[in-house]
Amino acid sequence: DMKVTQMPRYLIKRMGENVLLECGQDMSHETMYWYRQDPGLGLQLIYISYDVDSNSEGDIPKGYRVSRKKREHFSLILDSAKTNQTSVYFCASSSRQGNYEQYFGPGTRLTVL
Amino acid sequence: AEKVIQVWSTASRQEGEELTLDCSYETSQVLYHLFWYKHLLSGEMVFLIRQTSSSTAKERSGRYSVVFQKSLKSISLIISALQPDDSGKYFCALWELSNNRIFFGDGTQLVVKP
Repeated sequence: DMKVTQMPRYLIKRMGENVLLECGQDMSHETMYWYRQDPGLGLQLIYISYDVDSNSEGDIPKGYRVSRKKREHFSLILDSAKTNQTSVYFCASSSRQGNYEQYFGPGTRLTVL
Repeated sequence: AEKVIQVWSTASRQEGEELTLDCSYETSQVLYHLFWYKHLLSGEMVFLIRQTSSSTAKERSGRYSVVFQKSLKSISLIISALQPDDSGKYFCALWELSNNRIFFGDGTQLVVKP
């Protein structure tokens, strides 16, 4: 069963703390993504990873960094979280073969107090 | 400028009715894909249907179909025989293949009343 997983599903942090959001996929997809979704807005792309150690900034990379050391794992890191980073974060993956469909994880709801 | 525009932020229908969700987009690329996704209350984003810019076929998947007007840069999602479980937020997305970038609209929140 093709799947994208995200951990944790819910997270509360204080301003200034570090945050690690993890994403995994079991489809051997080359490309993985991190998005955030805010009320009233569409999904905004934070980072794209084209493969291991091949990462590219998306539209809103400021305040975030990523790590992809294995094809099946893609981490989003917030060093010193800010209150405006409270959001729902989605990870997705896609294959360069086939129909380019993105498979999404269930999302992580992050609250920064 | 926004690449993908979904004009209606909310929509409401009765069970059994048909709904059309409109989406317009902007791109200078020749080859691209357009997707419709549904955001469930559980938080999952579910792929519904895809339209390729080079295809003239009317894509259909179960109760979902699209009307693709390439010259107008418009793609509409049609959901037939609506059910309460169709309630959710529907996102239109544009994928530019040359740069592997995907852009989402703001979504349309649908409520289907029994």
